[in-house]
Amino acid sequence: AQKVTQAQTEISVVEKEDVTLDCVYETRDTTYYLFWYKQPPSGELVFLIRRNSFDEQNEISGRYSWNFQKSTSSFNFTITASQVVDSAVYFCALSEAFRTGNQFYFGTGTSLTVIP
Amino acid sequence: SQTIHQWPATLVQPVGSPLSLECTVEGTSNPNLYWYRQAAGRGLQLLFYSVGIGQISSEVPQNLSASRPQDRQFILSSKKLLLSDSGFYLCAWSVASIAKNIQYFGAGTRLSVL
Repeated sequence: AQKVTQAQTEISVVEKEDVTLDCVYETRDTTYYLFWYKQPPSGELVFLIRRNSFDEQNEISGRYSWNFQKSTSSFNFTITASQVVDSAVYFCALSEAFRTGNQFYFGTGTSLTVIP
Repeated sequence: SQTIHQWPATLVQPVGSPLSLECTVEGTSNPNLYWYRQAAGRGLQLLFYSVGIGQISSEVPQNLSASRPQDRQFILSSKKLLLSDSGFYLCAWSVASIAKNIQYFGAGTRLSVL
C-alpha cells in the first residue's frame, strides 16, 4: 500500500497564481514526521520543511505555506504568487519514528511548471 | 557545516561493465547513509541504507550492492551493469537521531547504460 500519495502528477500555473500541492499519508504510528523536498531541473533534492506528528501548527515561510491536518492525514503545500523559479518536482515524504534506519517513504512527486 | 559529495556527476557505461559510485559526507560523524535510484518516471526508490560501518540493508533485490568501508563513505557497485540500471542515483545522509531526521541529498549521478 502506498504510504504517501501525491495524486497530482503535473500542474501548470501562470506566474503569480497561487498553487497547492496535495499530499496524503498513511501510518499507524502515533509519532511520525512529514517532509517536503524540491527537485529543480539540476536534480538535487532540496529540503524544504519537516513537521512532527504532534505539531499541527501551520507554517509559513515567505511565499511557501504548509497545512498539516491529522484528521484527514494530509500535509499540503501552497506556493503563493508563484514564480518561474518555483518550477520543479516536489516530493512529500513520511518517516515513522520506530522504523529502522530513519527510512523515508516518498510520494511519486508533483511536477510544477510555472509559465511566465 | 556538513556537506555531501557524490561523483561522478554523469556516467555512460556499456552493458556488462562494472560500476562504482562514491559518496562521502563531511562535517558529521556516524551518519545514516542512503542510496536511492530515480528512474525516468520520477519516483524515488530506496536501494540501500547503512546505520554504521559495514552495516548495509538492502531494500530491493537487484544487480547492485553497497558498501561502507569508512564512517562517512558509501559506495554503490555492480559487477555487470544491465540496461535497466540506467537512472539517476542519489546519495543522502541524516543524523542517527530520530529527533533530527532530515535527509540531505547529494547532487546525484546520471547513469546511462548502453
